[in-house]
Amino acid sequence: AQTVTQSQPEMSVQEAETVTLSCTYDTSESDYYLFWYKQPPSRQMILVIRQEAYKQQNATENRFSVNFQKAAKSFSLKISDSQLGDAAMYFCAYRSNFGNEKLTFGTGTRLTIIP
Amino acid sequence: GAGVSQSPSNKVTEKGKDVELRCDPISGHTALYWYRQSLGQGLEFLIYFQGNSAPDKSGLPSDRFSAERTGGSVSTLTIQRTQQEDSAVYLCASSLALMRGRYEQYFGPGTRLTVT
Repeated sequence: AQTVTQSQPEMSVQEAETVTLSCTYDTSESDYYLFWYKQPPSRQMILVIRQEAYKQQNATENRFSVNFQKAAKSFSLKISDSQLGDAAMYFCAYRSNFGNEKLTFGTGTRLTIIP
Repeated sequence: GAGVSQSPSNKVTEKGKDVELRCDPISGHTALYWYRQSLGQGLEFLIYFQGNSAPDKSGLPSDRFSAERTGGSVSTLTIQRTQQEDSAVYLCASSLALMRGRYEQYFGPGTRLTVT
């Protein structure tokens, strides 16, 4: 079974600065996706960024980028130019490309933005 | 178009009572998932529906939990004889189809269940 570990329960960053959230995972599969989701107080899970395991190039979406280290099974999220609206819970998730394609989540990191 | 909707938004029930939680997926989405988010935890998979195939119930924590999906659209998660440990946020997600993970899952706002 796959597992996802987020070792930082809470992080804080000064507005306009850069912060990196860590995630490691364990799997024996070679074909999978990794995701970062954002969950604000509204509870709505919002997809921030995705990475396909077969792609060596790290994914980027505007101020959000990942550092995907497949051999190390590491998938960190970097948020540049942090904004107040980035404050939320961030979840790392794994999805196999086989079977029911369910998402396996880490326990989350609560990100606080300091004005 | 409309996103995934869930009702009720919040539900408070007494221990031992049955509850029904509803999910309306995005129109045309054939795959539907239920997840549970307990306090301070990530989401855990409960059950999965794909088209007219038999559901994958491998994540259901006990036989008090069941779910159905009528007409390939609306889904209802039922918890019988609720216990305090059932208190959590129940999230529903839908996606277009299974295609080597190409399609993302879109989440609803969840139902917060409190068992007193």
